[in-house]
Parts: sequence; structure tokens; C-alpha cells
Amino acid sequence: DVKVTQSSRYLVKRTGEKVFLECVQDMDHENMFWYRQDPGLGLRLIYFSYDVKMKEKGDIPEGYSVSREKKERFSLILESASTNQTSMYLCASSRPTGAEDQPQHFGDGTRLSIL
Amino acid sequence: KQEVTQIPAALSVPEGENLVLNCSFTDSAIYNLQWFRQDPGKGLTSLLLIQSSQREQTSGRLNASLDKSSGRSTLYIAASQPGDSATYLCAVRGGSNYKLTFGKGTLLTVNP
Repeated sequence: DVKVTQSSRYLVKRTGEKVFLECVQDMDHENMFWYRQDPGLGLRLIYFSYDVKMKEKGDIPEGYSVSREKKERFSLILESASTNQTSMYLCASSRPTGAEDQPQHFGDGTRLSIL
Repeated sequence: KQEVTQIPAALSVPEGENLVLNCSFTDSAIYNLQWFRQDPGKGLTSLLLIQSSQREQTSGRLNASLDKSSGRSTLYIAASQPGDSATYLCAVRGGSNYKLTFGKGTLLTVNP
């Protein structure tokens, strides 16, 4: 089974801190994604990466950056945390598109609170 | 811009009932449509993926259909069980990147 592991289930940080969320997948997937999920807004894509050191902005990249130095690991960075970044953060991975798409596999999420 | 709508937002049914969840999307130029399940406080679990060239997919008691021309998909759950209680999300992939656009989900409660 595909395993996508997010380093923390719950995290509490203070305004202005630099926050790192880590995600590791064990299936050698090329594609990795970071989403945030908010009540009433659903899931929104922050960034995705289709290869090591490659990244593309999603719908809401402002205030975030990402790092992918190794294929299995994709990090989301909140440069200076703000209260409006309090949310559930979900990481996902998938194989690249070939003849047919493959489903995205999700981690259990990190519930981040910024105080 | 693609928009995905799921109706109803919440549904409560007695155990054993067959039910249908609906998903509609505004741009019919999609690569695929996926149905996910999300349990409270957890991530998403992929249930079914329908390629744009397919009309339906089945897995156990689940059957998903896709009508690209009308921008609609349905998820049919047969003989529902309390363990089916969860939020069900549909998502479409369109364009040349890997981005999924999600609906806001249907919260399903199956009562024993």
C-alpha cells in the first residue's frame, strides 16, 4: 500500500514564526502536492512538484514556499506564519500521467494552529 | 475557471438503503474525475477514478458514472452500512497539469 506520512498530526505555532511541514511518500512517486482544507472553502492547491527541485504554484501560493530536494520528501514552508494560515494541511502524491491517470494518495493531514 | 458542485451537502439515510451522490462541473474538458472518501480528522482515500474516455467504474458496492457532455457524475452506493458514514468528495482534473479541482463534499450519515 502507498504510504504518505506527514510529520505532525497537530502543530501550534506563533505569529511570525517560520513553520516547516514535512511529507514523505514511500512509493517512488514523481508528483507531490500540498493542499489546505478549510470549512466552506474545500480543498485548495497550494503548490505541487512533478520532479526533484521542480515546483509549480497552485491556486493559493501566497505566504508559502516549498522544497523538494529528494524524490520522497516534499516540504511546505510558511515563511512568516499568520493567523489566517490556521488550517488543515494535506499532502498527496501520485505517479506521473502516462496513458492513464493514477489517483492521488493522501496523508492524514496536519492541523496547524497559528496563535 | 473550473467549478465543481456537490449536491446534497449532507445526506442521512437508514442502513441498507441504496443512495446516489451527485457531482457537477462547469468545464467539460476534463482528463478524469475522482471520487474520494474522508473520515473526520483524516486525509482522503481514493475510491474510484474515471478516465475521460470511460463512462463508469465499479468497486464493490460503489459505482461511479461520468457524463462529460453534461458535466455530471454520480456515485452510487448499494446497500449502505454505518461504516460508509463519511464525507465524499469529487474532484476533476483538467488541462495539462496535474491540478485537481475539488467539490466541497457530501457528508453522508448511515443510521443503524
